[in-house]
Amino acid sequence: AQSVTQLGSHVSVSEGALVLLRCNYSSSVPPYLFWYVQYPNQGLQLLLKYTTGATLVKGINGFEAEFKKSETSFHLTKPSAHMSDAAEYFCAVSDSGNTPLVFGKGTRLSVIA
Amino acid sequence: GAVVSQHPSRVICKSGTSVKIECRSLDFQATTMFWYRQFPKKSLMLMATSNEGSKATYEQGVEKDKFLINHASLTLSTLTVTSAHPEDSSFYICSALKKRAAYEQYFGPGTRLTVT
Repeated sequence: AQSVTQLGSHVSVSEGALVLLRCNYSSSVPPYLFWYVQYPNQGLQLLLKYTTGATLVKGINGFEAEFKKSETSFHLTKPSAHMSDAAEYFCAVSDSGNTPLVFGKGTRLSVIA
Repeated sequence: GAVVSQHPSRVICKSGTSVKIECRSLDFQATTMFWYRQFPKKSLMLMATSNEGSKATYEQGVEKDKFLINHASLTLSTLTVTSAHPEDSSFYICSALKKRAAYEQYFGPGTRLTVT
């Protein structure tokens, strides 16, 4: 069975500071990994995904994540936080592109002016 | 792009009534759609997998007679919450797999159901 652990249910950073949201996964097969962002009362928007190939994945809005197999991690980063980045972020894993996603519990990002 | 819509976006119903939620892929065909449920300040939990032309597959603990899923076409899946109770109040989100395109799963904007 697959699982996702997101360390920190709430992360607060200052505007302009580095954003680091942690995600560790468990999977018995090579994983497909995703990061989604959710704004209040809205659906999920895909930030980025890792399937195969390059382990450093760049996404939208300046976010990127690195797949580290040895650490079973897929942490999300952004060099400089913006107020508009304040939202809920979900890490998810799948064993293929055609199966449902298993989500972490989410991390709420607050950005302080 | 690939757009998935849900209708309604928000619904309030009385206890004991049934509510239908539609999930549509607007510009692509989706042989498979997934229905998730999200409790307040919680993650998304898979409820069922909906395949076009066949019966839905439900996750353990999800009552198939209560949450009726129909996937009648390649662009539409419906979730009907029957005999709704206040504990069914939640945010329901669907996602659609784009046919012939791996790793392409698109999420709808969600439906907020409140049962009074």
